[in-house]
This record gives sequence, structure tokens and C-alpha cells, in this order.
Amino acid sequence: EDQVTQSPEALRLQEGESSSLNCSYTVSGLRGLFWYRQDPGKGPEFLFTLYSAGEEKEKERLKATLTKKESFLHITAPKPEDSATYLCAADSGGGADGLTFGKGTHLIIQP
Amino acid sequence: EAQVTQNPRYLITVTGKKLTVTCSQNMNHEYMSWYRQDPGLGLRQIYYSMNVEVTDKGDVPEGYKVSRKEKRNFPLILESPSPNQTSLYFCASSLWGASTEAFFGQGTRLTVV
Repeated sequence: EDQVTQSPEALRLQEGESSSLNCSYTVSGLRGLFWYRQDPGKGPEFLFTLYSAGEEKEKERLKATLTKKESFLHITAPKPEDSATYLCAADSGGGADGLTFGKGTHLIIQP
Repeated sequence: EAQVTQNPRYLITVTGKKLTVTCSQNMNHEYMSWYRQDPGLGLRQIYYSMNVEVTDKGDVPEGYKVSRKEKRNFPLILESPSPNQTSLYFCASSLWGASTEAFFGQGTRLTVV
């Protein structure tokens, strides 16, 4: 059974304090690893897709990386507007054709 | 504007009363899917559709039905809702398959009493 585990469940940072969110996955035949951002009362919003180990992608203060077992979302010098729940999801070749989501990391950036 | 539109946004209903949640996308996407989001469980896929007239079960399909008669629409049907289907529901679409960027609707918060 495919599994995606995110840690920590919640993280509180001061503005400007860099950190990383972890996503470990156990899937049969990874086809893509996704990061989404979800704000309260809204649907998830796409951030990144990573397809192979060693791949990295950046967008503003966010950088996503991928190894054979886990992915990291690095947040550099975060601002209060980066506060959200960050979701990791894996698309695998086994089972139903869909994403397996982790439970998310709730990130709070304090001014 | 590219978007996925769900209706209604909020719904309170009684056990056993059939209901339909509509989902429409304007991006000509092949792939559409439904998820439910519950505290402590995250997002779980209910059903998905690779194209018109092609649908298949996700991880939690029991108690739900879907149809895909047109490319843009993918309604979720609860024939006889029960309290354990109280949840936040999201429709999503992507260009093709689950490995492409998914666009999510705003969500439908359903309460079954």
C-alpha cells in the first residue's frame, strides 16, 4: 500500500527563520512527487512536481528536492504570507490512478 | 480564467436524501477526480475519470457514484448519504492523468445529519 508521511505536523517560525518540511514516501513506482499549498477554506494550490531523484525546483522562497525515499520543501527567509498547510502527494504506478496525499504540515510564520 | 467550479459550497442534508455535487472545469482537461478531506486523514481519492465515459474507483468509493458524460463536468452523487460522509469534498482536474498539475475546486462542505 502506498504511503506518504509528512513531518512535522505543525511548525511555528519567526519571520526570516528558514526551515525545511519533510515528506517521506513508500510507493510502488513513483511517477511524480507533488507539493501543494492549502489556505484555510480553499482548495490545494499546485507548487511543484518532481519526477526523479536529485531533481530540484524553486519558486520565490520555496525550494523542493527529491531523493529516492523522501522530499524536502525548504523555506528560506519566510514571510507571514507563507503561512499555510503544505501538502505532499505521490503518484505511483500501482493501484488507482490518483494521488496519495500526506496529512500535511501546518506552517505558521510569526511577524 | 482557468478554474474548477464546485456547487454548492456548503450543504446540510438528512440521512438518506439523495444529493449531487456538481463540478465543472473550463480547461479542456482529460482527467478529473474527487477527493474527500477529513481531519487526521488528509485527502483521499473517491473516484476518478480518465476521459468521457471512463470512470474508476479511487481509495474510498463506497457510497458514492460519478458520471462523465461531458468532458467539462464530473458530478459526484450520494444516493443515500450517511453521517460518515460528512466531510469536505474537492473536485480536481488535470491535463492528463494524475502525474500532471492538478487544479482544485474551492471545496464543498457537506454535513449529513
